[in-house]
Amino acid sequence: GAGVSQSPSNKVTEKGKDVELRCDPISGHTALYWYRQSLGQGLEFLIYFQGNSAPDKSGLPSDRFSAERTGGSVSTLTIQRTQQEDSAVYLCASSFGTGYGYGYTFGSGTRLTVV
Amino acid sequence: GQQVMQIPQYQHVQEGEDFTTYCNSSTTLSNIQWYKQRPGGHPVFLIQLVKSGEVKKQKRLTFQFGEAKKNSSLHITATQTTDVGTYFCAGPQGGSEKLVFGKGTKLTVNP
Repeated sequence: GAGVSQSPSNKVTEKGKDVELRCDPISGHTALYWYRQSLGQGLEFLIYFQGNSAPDKSGLPSDRFSAERTGGSVSTLTIQRTQQEDSAVYLCASSFGTGYGYGYTFGSGTRLTVV
Repeated sequence: GQQVMQIPQYQHVQEGEDFTTYCNSSTTLSNIQWYKQRPGGHPVFLIQLVKSGEVKKQKRLTFQFGEAKKNSSLHITATQTTDVGTYFCAGPQGGSEKLVFGKGTKLTVNP
């Protein structure tokens, strides 16, 4: 597609429920990243996929968070047993790799609210 | 771990005034990137600097990468209301493609 697509754009869930956030990266981008941005704050790294390599999960805040990337394309971030502190905007980005000088292309994000 | 710090956190200017935000890394960077996030929007890539001492211009925006490749700055000449937003710098962590972002400088412009 023309850009990075994320769905849903907004999600309100009850505490304790599981949620799935989807990211469809730009075709041909080998790298895919998930970041989290709390209100008025900076970007917190969560997880990074590069080609067929094992993902870098070093930013996942707890074992309630997991992500997968199927077929080197679409990625799903799953949060189990959601907590109120999980409320944030979850941003997905993709890139060819920073060595190409194009940086990340971000999606519009999923705003998650846990009530 | 690697840290990227930005100052100031907030900057309010009158339209037409200049604006500068500064970025410092705790480690030497292979490159540094700048992003702009408009209110309610998502970060948008502006530029990547790679070489020591590099200076790049985009219209009224001037980006610099320090000689030691640990600091950078973004300068906007004669700000306009369209410049409003949060400006983030980011650098790769270690040898990976994963970026560590600064906390950003939020710019407001009074018309």
